[in-house]
Amino acid sequence: GESVGLHLPTLSVQEGDNSIINCAYSNSASDYFIWYKQESGKGPQFIIDIRSNMDKRQGQRVTVLLNKTVKHLSLQIAATQPGDSAVYFCAEKAPGTGNQFYFGTGTSLTVIP
Amino acid sequence: DGGITQSPKYLFRKEGQNVTLSCEQNLNHDAMYWYRQDPGQGLRLIYYSQIVNDFQKGDIAEGYSVSREKKESFPLTVTSAQKNPTAFYLCASSIGRVYEQYFGPGTRLTVT
Repeated sequence: GESVGLHLPTLSVQEGDNSIINCAYSNSASDYFIWYKQESGKGPQFIIDIRSNMDKRQGQRVTVLLNKTVKHLSLQIAATQPGDSAVYFCAEKAPGTGNQFYFGTGTSLTVIP
Repeated sequence: DGGITQSPKYLFRKEGQNVTLSCEQNLNHDAMYWYRQDPGQGLRLIYYSQIVNDFQKGDIAEGYSVSREKKESFPLTVTSAQKNPTAFYLCASSIGRVYEQYFGPGTRLTVT
């Protein structure tokens, strides 16, 4: 999962396995969530989003699960590939906060060929 | 191709100098943002703008200034008042307030 601090949580998986990356968000009022992927030295790329009226959303090879009861978000990547190696982080937005998203620190995913 | 461009990719400055980071988008997005990213930390919002000629401070606006004279441009000035300016700076844009933000490639600023 994600945490605040200087050292990112890390996850290593074998190529072809499924990956699960977790995020504990802070605000129970948050109603919109995004997962981003960030490769070294680059800007974050949008992966998938989910609104609080849903508990699951699927994209291409990715699934996001939302558990509002415990304020937990997860990103599942199916058949992980070497190109999936990156830092993944979640962002949350609460109503009434203008344009402010709050970003987690991220999890570093390494795919072992 | 539509997208967000930031220039330069790397920037070096001496302490005490102001420096302006460029951000341009051709996505026709109304909202634009500036974030700072430090190692092992989440992105922190510096400034955002929902519309031309309007902008608001984020969580860490001290020592920074912005302008939004054109819809496609949102330059960030890092002033000498910013105590720890060395960081990776990311610009983003979105259609509106409750939509995903698309990020530029970032500018790594080093101040010595």
